[in-house]
Amino acid sequence: EAGVTQFPSHSVIEKGQTVTLRCDPISGHDNLYWYRRVMGKEIKFLLHFVKESKQDESGMPNNRFLAERTGGTYSTLKVQPAELEDSGVYFCASSQALIGEKLFFGSGTQLSVL
Amino acid sequence: ILNVEQSPQSLHVQEGDSTNFTCSFPSSNFYALHWYRWETAKSPEALFVMTLNGDEKKKGRISATLNTKEGYSYLYIKGSQPEDSATYLCALNSGYALNFGKGTSLLVTP
Repeated sequence: EAGVTQFPSHSVIEKGQTVTLRCDPISGHDNLYWYRRVMGKEIKFLLHFVKESKQDESGMPNNRFLAERTGGTYSTLKVQPAELEDSGVYFCASSQALIGEKLFFGSGTQLSVL
Repeated sequence: ILNVEQSPQSLHVQEGDSTNFTCSFPSSNFYALHWYRWETAKSPEALFVMTLNGDEKKKGRISATLNTKEGYSYLYIKGSQPEDSATYLCALNSGYALNFGKGTSLLVTP
């Protein structure tokens, strides 16, 4: 069974540019999460989808971040325009159950904004 | 948001040493406590999920305990091996989201 896959694994862009990250969750997992780790800090929650609906987007930093999950399958996270402080590792995770079950993580996208 | 603290921040041990890390939290008001193992450039991998006070879980040489009354969880590694080198992350389910600690970075040298 394929795990959670993320693309790209690395992205280097200039301040002001746009970047779109993609996540393919494990097939059948209704729950999809985005997290971010800024260097030296803890991994922080960004948002949670249940199928195609945004269940909780309280962790999204600001309106430069837009997440979508059309059709309830893969998800994209777009940053437009990117700022220096957006640099970090963006993780996607999926699960079958809502609360209390382990999450399956992707290997992350390392985003560097110069 | 629950504040999750992990200690130590980093640890360097010799192969064969046993070691343990601590995850502490201020409240027992959460659904579950998770431990993940993360090697850089790889996916964080779930080790344990614990829900009840007194829970103990074991997976090979790694085990974990949970004390919700005093607000801590311990992760133990018996006879550390170089392949155990990784960052060990503790997280709490207070709702849908996981609140992570900063992790403990373990280096095991031969």
